[in-house]
Amino acid sequence: KAGVTQTPRYLIKTRGQQVTLSCSPISGHRSVSWYQQTPGQGLQFLFEYFSETQRNKGNFPGRFSGRQFSNSRSEMNVSTLELGDSALYLCASSEGTGGETQYFGPGTRLLVL
Amino acid sequence: QKEVEQNSGPLSVPEGAIASLNCTYSDRGSQSFFWYRQYSGKSPELIMFIYSNGDKEDGRFTAQLNKASQYVSLLIRDSQPSDSATYLCAVVSSGGSYIPTFGRGTSLIVHP
Repeated sequence: KAGVTQTPRYLIKTRGQQVTLSCSPISGHRSVSWYQQTPGQGLQFLFEYFSETQRNKGNFPGRFSGRQFSNSRSEMNVSTLELGDSALYLCASSEGTGGETQYFGPGTRLLVL
Repeated sequence: QKEVEQNSGPLSVPEGAIASLNCTYSDRGSQSFFWYRQYSGKSPELIMFIYSNGDKEDGRFTAQLNKASQYVSLLIRDSQPSDSATYLCAVVSSGGSYIPTFGRGTSLIVHP
């Protein structure tokens, strides 16, 4: 099976702009989770989507949003970018039945100038 | 607040030695435990998972789980320079969201 794919791999944006990141999970996986990883904070959970519904949400401001499509592909959007949003954004897919292994994509590295 | 603690390291071991990485967790109801390896600039990749108390071996890797003491460890035998990476511990609690809580990771350096 093909692994998790994320696009784009690298992005440079300026403060105040918005950005959309995309994730395609492993075929057959219905859950997609998004994480932000920074050197200072480690891996932090943003939200999880399952069957087109946000099932879990982390502790991030409303500028961070996401959605999932009927084919399980997911997008996350960050509006009004801040310098502190510079990070590696990781998407992880799993079957979604509970407690099983998450498989990570290669990530999107976002730099906000 | 569910917490997963790891020593940030770096843990430095000579090639061929056993590297021992430890992780403690706060939620006694935790049910699933995962170890990921992350090379610099790359995404985490799964090494092992363990659900039951005791040891689980996979090649040079052994995961050890002790639910009574709330810790899980990863042993890497015959460490190689290619094992140099950050190792992330992830814990899933029962009765909740099934979203893993990650530790901050332990940096391992295997020197020739």
